[in-house]
Amino acid sequence: QKEVEQDPGPLSVPEGAIVSLNCTYSNSAFQYFMWYRQYSRKGPELLMYTYSSGNKEDGRFTAQVDKSSKYISLFIRDSQPSDSATYLCAMSAPGGKLIFGQGTELSVKP
Amino acid sequence: GAGVSQTPSNKVTEKGKYVELRCDPISGHTALYWYRQSLGQGPEFLIYFQGTGAADDSGLPNDRFFAVRPEGSVSTLKIQRTERGDSAVYLCASSTGVGGTDTQYFGPGTRLTVL
Repeated sequence: QKEVEQDPGPLSVPEGAIVSLNCTYSNSAFQYFMWYRQYSRKGPELLMYTYSSGNKEDGRFTAQVDKSSKYISLFIRDSQPSDSATYLCAMSAPGGKLIFGQGTELSVKP
Repeated sequence: GAGVSQTPSNKVTEKGKYVELRCDPISGHTALYWYRQSLGQGPEFLIYFQGTGAADDSGLPNDRFFAVRPEGSVSTLKIQRTERGDSAVYLCASSTGVGGTDTQYFGPGTRLTVL
């Protein structure tokens, strides 16, 4: 079993839809949780970061962490075609190395 | 300012050959990470440097893989006797530190194809 599990999709939604992306993890030692966005043939870029259970909002994006269930989510409101990308959840292990999920490919149709 | 750069952007080689992949981190970043991303997968950790020394190389798959960072800036990932299974995108990232709150900034990657 992988330390971080993420539904690979692909996920296709109409413009304006609410998108929900999820990951589960097995290692209780993970303390920092991130969402990266990766456009085709580009490196991942940090979208959001959190370290405590609860919600964190940044514009149209909300990151949610439930440490008791070992479950994290990313919600995108009013999705736009420019949001079309692969979304990667990541957990920070000791020393700073990141453990990534498989990535979910999202397509937002105009 | 300039981000993380990686060269070459693409590398095609034959099975059994030796390759070197280069990473130029953001100026002043002391931590440097190498990851490998296979098609349809998330990046997998290979090795990271704090300064010149390899602090954790637990992700290197075998002794054909080696990385150096002699002056604490540029790093080179070296792969000997390449195999078809080594084909992937090799990503480099740098950060100001190795804490969980230190953002890792990724380069665009080197796409390695082993024929």
